[in-house]
Amino acid sequence: GQNIDQPTEMTATEGAIVQINCTYQTSGFNGLFWYQQHAGEAPTFLSYNVLDGLEEKGRFSSFLSRSKGYSYLLLKELQMKDSASYLCAVRGDNAGNNRKLIWGLGTSLAVNP
Amino acid sequence: DSGVTQTPKHLITATGQRVTLRCSPRSGDLSVYWYQQSLDQGLQFLIQYYNGEERAKGNILERFSAQQFPDLHSELNLSSLELGDSALYFCASSARGGSSTDTQYFGPGTRLTVL
Repeated sequence: GQNIDQPTEMTATEGAIVQINCTYQTSGFNGLFWYQQHAGEAPTFLSYNVLDGLEEKGRFSSFLSRSKGYSYLLLKELQMKDSASYLCAVRGDNAGNNRKLIWGLGTSLAVNP
Repeated sequence: DSGVTQTPKHLITATGQRVTLRCSPRSGDLSVYWYQQSLDQGLQFLIQYYNGEERAKGNILERFSAQQFPDLHSELNLSSLELGDSALYFCASSARGGSSTDTQYFGPGTRLTVL
């Protein structure tokens, strides 16, 4: 079957660095997405990885290893507003019904002062 | 602001009733996706339309149906509502039909409460 695993909850301190991991098992691979979702609000797109390596975007970076079925989202210089749920989503085979995204349940990050 | 609009923002109704949720995609986007998110639950993919045609189907109940119109807006119809249908319903849009780099952008959601 197709599966995405993320830790349920994480806690970090303002100004620190946190790494949120995502492992996946899917039928094929055509890209991995990270989204941020504040409680009661819409998910917002953070990053996209399709090749191995690190993609940096300001305070946020995302890493992918296709051979290990593994990604992480790195948040630096944490701010209180980064308290949110972080969703990992994978696009599997790019054909038929498999082109839909497979979503993880999200990691709820709490940033403490 | 993602550019995706959804109406209404909130909807309160009774069990057994039928409601329609509306979504307008970002300008130029051809695909519309519908998701359900219950309290403390993950995003559940319901259905995708691409340029008016159904493209992919998720765990959509038979009581639910959707369509995409020629102007590319979409409607999700929920009928014979049950208490368990209370959830946030999100619409997302993307430029194409789901190619590798196709990114989904989400609307603000409709919060449905069934009493």
